[in-house]
Amino acid sequence: TQLLEQSPQFLSIQEGENLTVYCNSSSVFSSLQWYRQEPGEGPVLLVTVVTGGEVKKLKRLTFQFGDARKDSSLHITAAQPGDTGLYLCAGEDSGYALNFGKGTSLLVTP
Amino acid sequence: DTGVSQDPRHKITKRGQNVTFRCDPISEHNRLYWYRQTLGQGPEFLTYFQNEAQLEKSRLLSDRFSAERPKGSFSTLEIQRTEQGDSAMYLCASSHKVRGTGNEQFFGPGTRLTVL
Repeated sequence: TQLLEQSPQFLSIQEGENLTVYCNSSSVFSSLQWYRQEPGEGPVLLVTVVTGGEVKKLKRLTFQFGDARKDSSLHITAAQPGDTGLYLCAGEDSGYALNFGKGTSLLVTP
Repeated sequence: DTGVSQDPRHKITKRGQNVTFRCDPISEHNRLYWYRQTLGQGPEFLTYFQNEAQLEKSRLLSDRFSAERPKGSFSTLEIQRTEQGDSAMYLCASSHKVRGTGNEQFFGPGTRLTVL
């Protein structure tokens, strides 16, 4: 099992602020996925990054995969209360399972 | 387009009882996964099916746990002689891997198990 570390663990910001959360590992992944999870629900897939250095944008969310495919970041511009949730990164290695980090819990207040 | 569905959404049981959960994957997906998630943790892999074949099991899957996917469609996860440590959210996911897209797994809403 390859360990994925996410930081920060908790983040509380006001509406309109920008933020970046990080996902780091010492191991290389063939792909990495970001999910958002709300309390009592399953994770919802936001994006998959496959190529080292890849950048993907989803409205106000920007995802980047590190050149060496060991780390990733998620940047949110002008955060809104609807962005509140647990952000999980998950790496795909040579097996079938996804290896998840513990997540970053984001709270955006009006 | 229906996503992954799970039943029941919540289950409360007494220690020592058996419970069974069901997962219906996205219809064209041949891969199905079970994960367990406890408070403050990300999901942890339990087992994986490709069609009806169970190809991988985590060491988290003790002998009290059994999973089946008899016709390569829906799957069941049974826990025998439940213990309080089994209390968790049990998540099912499905995928249909396409070369170059990564192993995109789509999750159901989960079954919240509470063992008293």
